[in-house]
Amino acid sequence: EVQLLESGGGLVQPGGSLRLSCAASGFTFNNYAMSWVRQAPGKGLEWVSGISGSGGSTYYADSVKGRFTISRDNSKNTLNLQMNSLRAEDTAVYFCAKAKDYIWGAIDYWGQGTLVTVSS
Amino acid sequence: QSVLTQPPSVSAAPGQKVTISCSGSSSNIGNNYVSWYQQLPGTAPKLLIYDNNKRPSGIPDRFSGSTSGTSATLGITGLQTGDEADYYCGTWDVSLSAGQGVFGGGTKLTVL
Repeated sequence: EVQLLESGGGLVQPGGSLRLSCAASGFTFNNYAMSWVRQAPGKGLEWVSGISGSGGSTYYADSVKGRFTISRDNSKNTLNLQMNSLRAEDTAVYFCAKAKDYIWGAIDYWGQGTLVTVSS
Repeated sequence: QSVLTQPPSVSAAPGQKVTISCSGSSSNIGNNYVSWYQQLPGTAPKLLIYDNNKRPSGIPDRFSGSTSGTSATLGITGLQTGDEADYYCGTWDVSLSAGQGVFGGGTKLTVL
């Protein structure tokens, strides 16, 4: 059974940093691209960032480029998102997501999400 | 403002059929596969349709997907009260640097 468990969310001040992690199990982690998708309170889904199975290719939404860094540790089956220079508009539930086949394809499994609140 | 455009809401009676549209452009829907997701209140999204019209195992054939040019459509037949949820289309957009994932703004389905 595929499981994705996010951690690291919390309250942070504007301009601060936070590191999210996602522990994956139930599939061969390094065979699949992974993404982060967020959802602001009462709003729709927003794709944030993606990374290939090897970690050699990364992709970012314009809204986070230069501030967020996605990475993965295939030896530990872990996906990370380093978030710097956080803004109020980054407040959202952040979902860890597994690509079904390719980074540009569908997402077939989602974690339950971790809440990030950016506020003074 | 989402890259993909969906109607904010749709509604229909139990047992009826409903369609949800998703409009994009040549850099996204016109160039890549579309997927559809169902999000029940307070839960994570769930994959309903991938590669435009394929259903993952366990998804009933009441759910269907299609595309035409730069638009996609999700169809749901035999509506049930349990289908009340938010529905999102998603794809990849190649107009922006190395490419980015994009979603529609979501459509709230009400089963009257």
